[in-house]
Amino acid sequence: EPEVTQTPSHQVTQMGQEVILRCVPISNHLYFYWYRQILGQKVEFLVSFYNNEISEKSEIFDDQFSVERPDGSNFTLKIRSTKLEDSAMYFCASLGREQYFGPGTRLTVT
Amino acid sequence: ELKVEQNPLFLSMQEGKNYTIYCNYSTTSDRLYWYRQDPGKSLESLFVLLSNGAVKQEGRLMASLDTKARLSTLHITAAVHDLSATYFCAVPGGNQFYFGTGTSLTVIP
Repeated sequence: EPEVTQTPSHQVTQMGQEVILRCVPISNHLYFYWYRQILGQKVEFLVSFYNNEISEKSEIFDDQFSVERPDGSNFTLKIRSTKLEDSAMYFCASLGREQYFGPGTRLTVT
Repeated sequence: ELKVEQNPLFLSMQEGKNYTIYCNYSTTSDRLYWYRQDPGKSLESLFVLLSNGAVKQEGRLMASLDTKARLSTLHITAAVHDLSATYFCAVPGGNQFYFGTGTSLTVIP
């Protein structure tokens, strides 16, 4: 069964550093999403992506964040200058008949 | 902005008992999704409800959707320990999904 994959599973970075989180969505899906979940809290939408461009973004998705689909398979989330409050689980998802979530990347900013 | 509320937020129930989790949302939608999340894990899709009156069942879980009342329920029948997890409902709106606050379910022997 096809699945969404994410790398790395855990990323530790220092405040102010740039991080890139990677996702490989399910190949025939057209809509992709990034979410974050701070420990113990609800799932928060960051951005949706369709046809190689952002279709919607939340207030959280400020100028520090960007998304790309550099090669037709990978889907990346970049955080330019990480802050302590960016520490969270980041989930990628792609939409077919239902929304399929990747296993997540745990980002720890120290 | 579409708001999605779940109640209860925390639920502790004994094995063998029945209970219902409620998901209310603030604007019209004809679809609703239920997910399960185990601690430290990703979200697993449980149900996709695609129309008013939709009812789906899988094992001890049954989900229903009333689009007129903007309400979905997730009913647990004869709970077992393996059902302990956090359950989220989500409603699509625009080009995003709005998630409920989650219900943390603990089933105790």
